[in-house]
Amino acid sequence: GAGVSQSPRYKVTKRGQDVTLRCDPISSHATLYWYQQALGQGPEFLTYFNYEAQPDKSGLPSDRFSAERPEGSISTLTIQRTEQRDSAMYRCASSLEFGGIYEQYFGPGTRLTVT
Amino acid sequence: DAKTTQPNSMESNEEEPVHLPCNHSTISGTDYIHWYRQLPSQGPEYVIHGLTSNVNNRMASLAIAEDRKSSTLILHRATLRDAAVYYCILRPHSNTGNQFYFGTGTSLTVIP
Repeated sequence: GAGVSQSPRYKVTKRGQDVTLRCDPISSHATLYWYQQALGQGPEFLTYFNYEAQPDKSGLPSDRFSAERPEGSISTLTIQRTEQRDSAMYRCASSLEFGGIYEQYFGPGTRLTVT
Repeated sequence: DAKTTQPNSMESNEEEPVHLPCNHSTISGTDYIHWYRQLPSQGPEYVIHGLTSNVNNRMASLAIAEDRKSSTLILHRATLRDAAVYYCILRPHSNTGNQFYFGTGTSLTVIP
């Protein structure tokens, strides 16, 4: 596609429910990243994929968070048993390949509110 | 951890140059220096990146110190549209873990 897209743009859920966020990267991009961004803070790295492989999960805050990219294109981020502290903007980005030489392109984000 | 340090905020007058500093004293030899900016209510946007040499593109210039422990993003003529949070991050060439540290960035205010 022309850019990175994310859906839904806004999600309100009750504490304890599971939510799944979707990211559709730029079609030629091998690498996809997930970030969490609290208000007034910079994005915090959660995890990334090279095609369908997930080499780094170090940023996932707990085992309630998981991500998939089964066919190496679209990715989902699932948060199980949501808690109020999970409320944040979740941003997806993609790059042509992994490595410092490649810039990241960010999507518009999904604003998650847990009530 | 290869982290960066930036001033919390800066101000500039419209149409004047802006120099945004970044310290990265723990940079390793394979770390690229990236700059992104985030306009209000938008996602981060790539600005520029470099490894050792100074870089120029249509948006900005990047000046990298000889020892690579600091860098400066230069906006040659600030416009109101440049008001944003600017992030300096280090990105290694290979996966070394915990590499995508944005911090809180520098909030740039452009005064008309």
